[in-house]
Amino acid sequence: SQQGEEDPQALSIQEGENATMNCSYKTSINNLQWYRQNSGRGLVHLILIRSNEREKHSGRLRVTLDTSKKSSSLLITASRAADTASYFCATASNFGNEKLTFGTGTRLTIIP
Amino acid sequence: GAVVSQHPSRVICKSGTSVKIECRSLDFQATTMFWYRQFPKKSLMLMATSNEGSKATYEQGVEKDKFLINHASLTLSTLTVTSAHPEDSSFYICSARDGTEKFGSNQPQHFGDGTRLSIL
Repeated sequence: SQQGEEDPQALSIQEGENATMNCSYKTSINNLQWYRQNSGRGLVHLILIRSNEREKHSGRLRVTLDTSKKSSSLLITASRAADTASYFCATASNFGNEKLTFGTGTRLTIIP
Repeated sequence: GAVVSQHPSRVICKSGTSVKIECRSLDFQATTMFWYRQFPKKSLMLMATSNEGSKATYEQGVEKDKFLINHASLTLSTLTVTSAHPEDSSFYICSARDGTEKFGSNQPQHFGDGTRLSIL
């Protein structure tokens, strides 16, 4: 399995519910980032959490990071139809080479 | 701010054609740009890291003579798929990092909207 596996692969929920996506990785990281991708489009950066941080909030987004378990979660509260997209986690290594390694992604569908 | 423009958004061409894709940072200087390839419903695979004024760094398994990268200015990187074949059909996405930001690896990358390449 590759660095950055996400779970679940697909998630469908009713509008207004909360959506939780998980990401696991294998190597030491400098930071972990979450991106959103609408179908056929590029990626939009959502949030970055550094390796010495445990939780971060941005609007309806909440990200947690557990470096001991090499895992992160993204919570979207009060989901909206516009949140329908694929969500990817990406890790930046400790080697400072700026490369990101992307996870497999979660396809989120919000049912109106 | 931090807008990356990628052009063209879609290309359909015959086998054997070479195709050039441009990636421009519109409101910042990008010393480093990245080129990714994405298969349907799959994740992004890094192809190469493009450094302004120097040779690109290719990931293992990516043919540098097949995928030519040029990063001649702080706002433009190009990817040329040479003698494209149907197996090169894919979604290609570029990203860029603001070169004026400190601690680059702790900054997000800014992505273009991708290029859908279809080789007949």
